[in-house]
Amino acid sequence: EAGVTQSPTHLIKTRGQQATLRCSPISGHTSVYWYQQALGLGLQFLLWYDEGEERNRGNFPPRFSGRQFPNYSSELNVNALELEDSALYLCASSYRPGRGYTFGSGTRLTV
Amino acid sequence: GENVEQHPSTLSVQEGDSAVIKCTYSDSASNYFPWYKQELGKRPQLIIDIRSNVGEKKDQRIAVTLNKTAKHFSLHITETQPEDSAVYFCAASIKNTDKLIFGTGTRLQVFP
Repeated sequence: EAGVTQSPTHLIKTRGQQATLRCSPISGHTSVYWYQQALGLGLQFLLWYDEGEERNRGNFPPRFSGRQFPNYSSELNVNALELEDSALYLCASSYRPGRGYTFGSGTRLTV
Repeated sequence: GENVEQHPSTLSVQEGDSAVIKCTYSDSASNYFPWYKQELGKRPQLIIDIRSNVGEKKDQRIAVTLNKTAKHFSLHITETQPEDSAVYFCAASIKNTDKLIFGTGTRLQVFP
């Protein structure tokens, strides 16, 4: 079975630009989660999508947003990029009810 | 608020020794507690998990214990090997959701 796939692998942007990160969950998984992992730090919860709806968001400003498509893939958008947005962005999917996440390899965003 | 504390932040052991990592969670309704291993430059991978209706679970050299009353859970690795060197994250589910809150991670180094 194919795992969680994320694209692009690396993304380099300048301050003020917008970034779009993509995630395809494991087939059959309806929930997608986004986490930010800054260098040397833990995983900070960003967003959770399930069945096309945003279920929860972490303590991040509104310029972090996203969506989930009918095929359960997801996009994370970061507007007005700031230097501190540089991090590894990890997407994970799960088969409800919560049997643990499977993570993708991440997108490393450099601002 | 939702919080998971993890200790220690770094742990160095000799090959063959045991390693223990401890976590404390704040949400008494948490009912799922996974542990992830993240090797340098790689994705976090689930290594073991436990649910709130179980006190202990073991898988070969890895075991997890849960004390619901104290809201503590721990990862135990016996007979450590150099390939166990990685960052380990604990996590706890948030009530009525599949959302996981992660601890800050423990960098385990196993010296030959």
